[in-house]
Amino acid sequence: GAGVSQTPSNKVTEKGKYVELRCDPISGHTALYWYRQSLGQGPEFLIYFQGTGAADDSGLPNDRFFAVRPEGSVSTLKIQRTERGDSAVYLCASSPSDRTYEQYFGPGTRLTVT
Amino acid sequence: AQTVTQSQPEMSVQEAETVTLSCTYDTSENNYYLFWYKQPPSRQMILVIRQEAYKQQNATENRFSVNFQKAAKSFSLKISDSQLGDTAMYFCALQGANTGKLIFGQGTTLQVKP
Repeated sequence: GAGVSQTPSNKVTEKGKYVELRCDPISGHTALYWYRQSLGQGPEFLIYFQGTGAADDSGLPNDRFFAVRPEGSVSTLKIQRTERGDSAVYLCASSPSDRTYEQYFGPGTRLTVT
Repeated sequence: AQTVTQSQPEMSVQEAETVTLSCTYDTSENNYYLFWYKQPPSRQMILVIRQEAYKQQNATENRFSVNFQKAAKSFSLKISDSQLGDTAMYFCALQGANTGKLIFGQGTTLQVKP
């Protein structure tokens, strides 16, 4: 079956612009996670959803970052007024529930802010 | 706060030999889960093995096994009969029992040499 997909795979934007990153989880998975991975580092947790609601958004670095999952399936990570420090790979993962301990990861979106 | 530390940034091993990757962690929770993930250059994060903290028996998956020392908060990964396809970055990760989010270590780059 289809895995987690993320679009776009690469995004280059100018400092100050707004970007949206999309994640399509595995069908039927109720939990969805966003992580950010800087070059040569481990992924850092940003936010996770159980259904439509954000169960934990403690990892969002500031109020420029926002994520939604309006119908409990596709999620969009939104970044306003991008900064060069936002450049990273943004990973999405899903799992059947947030009490299921295997997370299935997508290939990520590489964001470059120039 | 929960932390995960991988103190070996890079390691190499000859094909068919055995290698051990180290991981230490800190958590105040009594129940939690530990994972090793593999990330090849394609960026796709793949689960290698997982361990429930309440289980004393070390997890094993084919050529991969762990040495879980709960009192020492240590969770090392042993790869036996190393193969060229094992070349990747390996991440140790921790998940609390009541949350879905993963806390990752900094990663160890493993190169398997022919």
